[in-house]
Amino acid sequence: GIQVEQSPPDLILQEGANSTLRCNFSDSVNNLQWFHQNPWGQLINLFYIPSGTKQNGRLSATTVATERYSLLYISSSQTTDSGVYFCAAGTSGTYKYIFGTGTRLKVLA
Amino acid sequence: NAGVTQTPKFQVLKTGQSMTLQCAQDMNHNSMYWYRQDPGMGLRLIYYSASEGTTDKGEVPNGYNVSRLNKREFSLRLESAAPSQTSVYFCASSEQGGAFFGQGTRLTVV
Repeated sequence: GIQVEQSPPDLILQEGANSTLRCNFSDSVNNLQWFHQNPWGQLINLFYIPSGTKQNGRLSATTVATERYSLLYISSSQTTDSGVYFCAAGTSGTYKYIFGTGTRLKVLA
Repeated sequence: NAGVTQTPKFQVLKTGQSMTLQCAQDMNHNSMYWYRQDPGMGLRLIYYSASEGTTDKGEVPNGYNVSRLNKREFSLRLESAAPSQTSVYFCASSEQGGAFFGQGTRLTVV
């Protein structure tokens, strides 16, 4: 089955800094999604990005499916960006989404 | 538009008790999922249903059963709860365009 690895596991930033989070996956995928889990435990969709690049405000994501990785960029970080960022990958044939172990981000004021 | 709704939000069970976690979505999605999240860890797939009438095991199915009641509803049953099943349980639904999650059920088995 699909294996999903995320790096780094932990990240501490000063407010205003930029960061890049990485997600590697073991097999070809048709579905790749990034989530933010806020301190209250809620899972928030950030991007559905099986390939290509998308941007939403200060966040952007790029998936290179042929090389089996995806990147999440956070620019000008804010304290409200703190939480855990997960990527999840799946193949449309099985409809299974497998999650990585996450990157725990703390943004300091 | 409520999205994915889970009930209950919190539950405490005694070892050996049974219970059913309910999940409903109003987005007309075909696929639905149950995940568990243990402290400091990612989400692990328990069961999923690719479409109404079908269910399949995920990564950690032991101790659980599921029912896809109709297109909207997907329930998770613990027949005989064990302390190892203490966790936060998330239901999700998906279609082309990504998965959407409920707010979670925090379950404690004592």
